[in-house]
Amino acid sequence: EDQVTQSPEALRLQEGESSSLNCSYTVSGLRGLFWYRQDPGKGPEFLFTLYSAGEEKEKERLKATLTKKESFLHITAPKPEDSATYLCAVHSNNNAGNMLTFGGGTRLMVKP
Amino acid sequence: DTEVTQTPKHLVMGMTNKKSLKCEQHMGHRAMYWYKQKAKKPPELMFVYSYEKLSINESVPSRFSPECPNSSLLNLHLHALQPEDSALYLCASSQVWPFLRRGHYGYTFGSGTRLTVV
Repeated sequence: EDQVTQSPEALRLQEGESSSLNCSYTVSGLRGLFWYRQDPGKGPEFLFTLYSAGEEKEKERLKATLTKKESFLHITAPKPEDSATYLCAVHSNNNAGNMLTFGGGTRLMVKP
Repeated sequence: DTEVTQTPKHLVMGMTNKKSLKCEQHMGHRAMYWYKQKAKKPPELMFVYSYEKLSINESVPSRFSPECPNSSLLNLHLHALQPEDSALYLCASSQVWPFLRRGHYGYTFGSGTRLTVV
């Protein structure tokens, strides 16, 4: 069974204070790892898909990286508008159909 | 068009009511999903449709009844719900593996329907 663990559960940063969110996974045959941003009461917003260890993707202040055991979401010089819950999910050979297995999320709060 | 549209955005229903949630996408995705999300928890999979056929039912109570009339539409029919069913209901869509790797958006989620059962 696939397992996805995100840490920390919650993270408070000052504006401009860079940090990283972690997503550790245990799967049999990773097909893809997805990062989403979710604002309260709204649906998850797609950020990145990573398919292979060593892959990196960037978007504005966010950079996602992938190893064989974990993924990091690096946030450089965050702004208050980056405050949200960040979800990591995996799609693997274990999953029938196209199921995603989600981690518990990291709630990020950026103070001005 | 890279959106998944869900209606209504908010729904309040009594335990004896029958209502439906609707979801629509025009991205050519052939897999569609219903998720349930409680506050401060990750989305929890309910149903998966692949090529308009129900492929996964995650042991969801029969008071939830999904329907996929065509490749663009997904409905969730609700009947005799309980207060603990109150949650954010999310619809998502994606390409079917292995075509998933050709897409740029992975799984695309709608904004959700906030359901309150009274």
